[in-house]
Formats: sequence, C-alpha cells, structure tokens
Amino acid sequence: QVHLVQSGAEVKKPGSSVRVSCKSSGATSSSHPISWVRQAPGQGLEWMGGIIPQFEAANYAQKFQGRVTITADESLNIVYLDLSSLTSEDTAIYFCAREATLAQGVYYFDFWGQGTLVTVSS
Amino acid sequence: QSVLTQPPSVSGAPGQTVTISCTGSTSNIGAGFAVHWYQQLPGTAPRLLIYDNNSRPSGVPDRFSGSKSGTSASLVLAGLQAEDEATYFCQSYDTTQSGPWVFGGGTKVTVL
Repeated sequence: QVHLVQSGAEVKKPGSSVRVSCKSSGATSSSHPISWVRQAPGQGLEWMGGIIPQFEAANYAQKFQGRVTITADESLNIVYLDLSSLTSEDTAIYFCAREATLAQGVYYFDFWGQGTLVTVSS
Repeated sequence: QSVLTQPPSVSGAPGQTVTISCTGSTSNIGAGFAVHWYQQLPGTAPRLLIYDNNSRPSGVPDRFSGSKSGTSASLVLAGLQAEDEATYFCQSYDTTQSGPWVFGGGTKVTVL
C-alpha cells in the first residue's frame, strides 16, 4: 500500500505565497512521478503540474506557468507545491497524487493524498 | 470549463443501473488515450475506481464497469447502493496545451 500524507490547512492573504507538502510512504519509490491536482469549492479537478522526485524534473500546466514551482526532497520522500501571487480564485483543496503508467497511452493516478485546504482571504 | 464533458448529475433508485458519459475529442480520448474514473465521496479525496477504460483495482466491486468508444467513454453503476452516492470524475490524457492530464467536470450520483 502507498500512503501520501499532506500538510495542514493554510489561510493566506492575497498576493502572498503558499507551500504545501506531500510525504509518501509504503510501497512506492522516488521514480514514481507525483502530481498536484486542485479542486475549487464545488468544482472539478484541475491538474497543476508534476515531478519525478528521483530526477527533480518538473512539468507544469500552461495555466500555472510562472506561478507554481514543484520540488522534491528525495531523502525525505517529500514533494512540495509552491504557489505564488495568490488570489481568491486560488482558494481550493490541493491534492497530491501518484502517477501510474500501465502502458503507452495509459496514464492515471493510483493513490491520492488527503487534500490540503488553502483559503485566500483578506 | 473542463476538457472532458460529463453530465452534472444522474440519479437512480437502489438496485437500478445508471450510466455516466464522458465526452472528449480527437486530442484526448479519440487519440487513443485510455479513460479512467474516480469516485469522490463527500469530504474525501478522489479514489481510483476504473483504470485503462474497463479495469478495476482490487477492492472495487464488479458492479462498476467502464467502456470506451471513439471520443467517448462511459461508467456504469449497476445495482445502485446508498454508498454509491458520490461524485464521479473521468480522466484522460491530452496532446494540446490543455493537458496533458485532463478531467471531466464531475457527475453527482444521487441514490433516491
């Protein structure tokens, strides 16, 4: 079994930045990519970006380019999401999720963290 | 607006069968990428329900099934039970700037 445990809820002011962490344990390795997916209140799921901790290679959704940074500390099995220039529209639950590749063209998320609520309010 | 289109809600009585559609395009489902489904119970994280169009992870009852054809996919919930009341999301991969990971907007299943 794989466990992804995220950091606690955050309340931030507009214009500030937030860091959310995701610690993995169990039957997983640093070669498994980890993604961040967010869910605004009452809305759907939105992929933000991902990283392969072993190689520290990250890629980002175009929408968040320049405002999001995903990093990893392989020794601690932790992946971080940094989001800057926060606005009220960034109020959402942020999930980390492990990417799985079954075969070419078959890409999905097999394990998810519990979610971290980030509230942006003045 | 989500890249994959799902109906906002479906409902059914206990024991009935409901179907949720997921419509994409030639840059995602129609390009041959597999479709996967997640169940999100209220206040919890999504959980993988169906992967690779029609495969179930261990622990998922066989009354959940999936299929894919052309640019669309479907999730079937047979023998509806009260604990199936949740929101269901489809997910695939996309070759445009919208991707690569894309989701449907989610479908709320209500058990009457």
